[in-house]
Amino acid sequence: ETGVTQTPRHLVMGMTNKKSLKCEQHLGHNAMYWYKQSAKKPLELMFVYSLEERVENNSVPSRFSPECPNSSHLFLHLHTLQPEDSALYLCASSHGFDRGTNEQFFGPGTRLTVL
Amino acid sequence: DAKTTQPTSMDCAEGRAANLPCNHSTISGNEYVYWYRQIHSQGPQYIIHGLKNNETNEMASLIITEDRKSSTLILPHATLRDTAVYYCIVLSDSWGKLQFGAGTQVVVTP
Repeated sequence: ETGVTQTPRHLVMGMTNKKSLKCEQHLGHNAMYWYKQSAKKPLELMFVYSLEERVENNSVPSRFSPECPNSSHLFLHLHTLQPEDSALYLCASSHGFDRGTNEQFFGPGTRLTVL
Repeated sequence: DAKTTQPTSMDCAEGRAANLPCNHSTISGNEYVYWYRQIHSQGPQYIIHGLKNNETNEMASLIITEDRKSSTLILPHATLRDTAVYYCIVLSDSWGKLQFGAGTQVVVTP
């Protein structure tokens, strides 16, 4: 257990559905991240939050909408997704952004399938 | 960001030390080397990081050359549970952006 939990672990949705992924960290961290891992591709950073403020949006389409209501919770709202959005979505957290202390702790991920 | 080069795959015998190389010849003075691993279908796991001194923790040792252009991650006594993809990452971004590459697939065999 890393102290970062994600729900659901698996999700199947149609292209017209709206769903949300949830991430919770129990580590007292101030920074949270969403990553995407498509089949046979490296992990890609999607969003970065610092103390509930979005500080990075890595050119992610608007059909992905993040929300960070507090420093312990992070959501990824999904709507009108495409089949190519099927992937493993990973949440991570860290104390902050100092390069020397930026150990990121990852959750187990949500396996998303878009039909 | 500095790029890293790692071998695509490595095999290691159980109980032996695993030495994983990484080249980062364009690394700058304020950039750290981080290592993560990802066991199949799980989230990545932080292993160790360093700037210029060698580092050791309960999981591994990190040896960084004096010119900082390469490093080696050492798993002292590999177990079957160490089978994973290992990522060497140079961190320079101010927002903690980890740039994952393809990594090294390490297979530990009995």
